[in-house]
Amino acid sequence: ILNVEQSPQSLHVQEGDSTNFTCSFPSSNFYALHWYRWETAKSPEALFVMTLNGDEKKKGRISATLNTKEGYSYLYIKGSQPEDSATYLCALISNFGNEKLTFGTGTRLTIIP
Amino acid sequence: NAGVTQTPKFRVLKTGQSMTLLCAQDMNHEYMYWYRQDPGMGLRLIHYSVGEGTTAKGEVPDGYNVSRLKKQNFLLGLESAAPSQTSVYFCASSYPPGGLEQYFGPGTRLTVT
Repeated sequence: ILNVEQSPQSLHVQEGDSTNFTCSFPSSNFYALHWYRWETAKSPEALFVMTLNGDEKKKGRISATLNTKEGYSYLYIKGSQPEDSATYLCALISNFGNEKLTFGTGTRLTIIP
Repeated sequence: NAGVTQTPKFRVLKTGQSMTLLCAQDMNHEYMYWYRQDPGMGLRLIHYSVGEGTTAKGEVPDGYNVSRLKKQNFLLGLESAAPSQTSVYFCASSYPPGGLEQYFGPGTRLTVT
């Protein structure tokens, strides 16, 4: 079983502040990394799919970076808004079974108005 | 496009009863997945399928069976429900390879008493 870890588990951020959180994974098993956003009472929606070391992807105020050599990815949110409140999941696809994902337990982000 | 749909949305079972959860997708995806989501555990893969007529075990397959008789449908069966199977079940689908993003259904909340 692959170990995909996310930190912190939860985070409270003042509206307008920027924040970031981490996803760690075994670097030797890397094939691809996904980030999903999961709002309460909804289903997860894909934010980014990252495959190359040094990848940086951006969607509006949210961006992500990837370091496959050291086994981590950061998700950044700039100028947090209340609608950013959600759980952010990362998921690893390994190089010995690239048809399935192993999810971390998520970072639960709450934006304080 | 309806995307990924799940039936039913809610269900309460008594211990020992059986039921089938239905997942349907209209995106012509090859890959389909069943996950369960429990507090503090993230999303855990139960079973998955890489094409019509194929199924494979995920991380937590015990107590569940699946079938993929048609490309658009993926059924999850509980033959003899146990309280430990109380959970929220999510279905997802994607194009191959698994490196591409997954699309999730709205979830089924199952309670076993």
